[in-house]
Amino acid sequence: DIHMTQSPSTLSASVGDRVTITCRASQSISTWLAWYQQKPGKAPKLLIYKASSLESGVPSRFSGSGSGTEFTLTISSLQPDDFATYYCQHYNTDPFTFGQGTKLEIK
Amino acid sequence: EVQLVQSGAEVKKPGESLKISCKGSGYNFATYWIGWVRQMPGKGLEWMGIIYPGDSDTRYNPSFQGQVILSADKSINTAYLQWSSLKASDTAMYYCARPRSFGAGNSPFDSWGQGTLVTVSS
Repeated sequence: DIHMTQSPSTLSASVGDRVTITCRASQSISTWLAWYQQKPGKAPKLLIYKASSLESGVPSRFSGSGSGTEFTLTISSLQPDDFATYYCQHYNTDPFTFGQGTKLEIK
Repeated sequence: EVQLVQSGAEVKKPGESLKISCKGSGYNFATYWIGWVRQMPGKGLEWMGIIYPGDSDTRYNPSFQGQVILSADKSINTAYLQWSSLKASDTAMYYCARPRSFGAGNSPFDSWGQGTLVTVSS
């Protein structure tokens, strides 16, 4: 199975900051990577697919990059609505495992 | 509009059986895979497996193989997740979700159910 590792586990930031979350795969997954946002008590929401493609309706301040084993999710200017937990997920070969999550907190 | 509506919260005792459901609407249910994701209290997301309602082709995460059964009835646009003997460690929120790409199991989930909370306690 492919193991996904996110860093950091927790990130404290302020409104307006630029933040980056990293996701590493235990083997190459090309660009078969997605990013999700989850708020407490809610289902996850797809933000990015194929490593860098923005899902319809997602604000352009979200961007993704990377290929192979290293990927990043960047939020260019944090908004109050962005404080949530973020997960990466590969979909190269099943099982399509998730990273352990990064909780983005208000500083 | 694509919608996935899951069955309601369940409280069960260890050793009991359970089958929860996920009803799809707004798209051709038989031609999109349906996945299941577990989230234990305060923890992250775990991919359990996926099923193709068109022919019931199923892929399990080895961590869940033998612990749960995925099934689907395309005639009523409904997928199921079932246990034959629940444990306390099965206490979690369970989400069904649909991949964004038609006919592709290897596609991220762009539509999610609201979740079914399963509590197993004596």
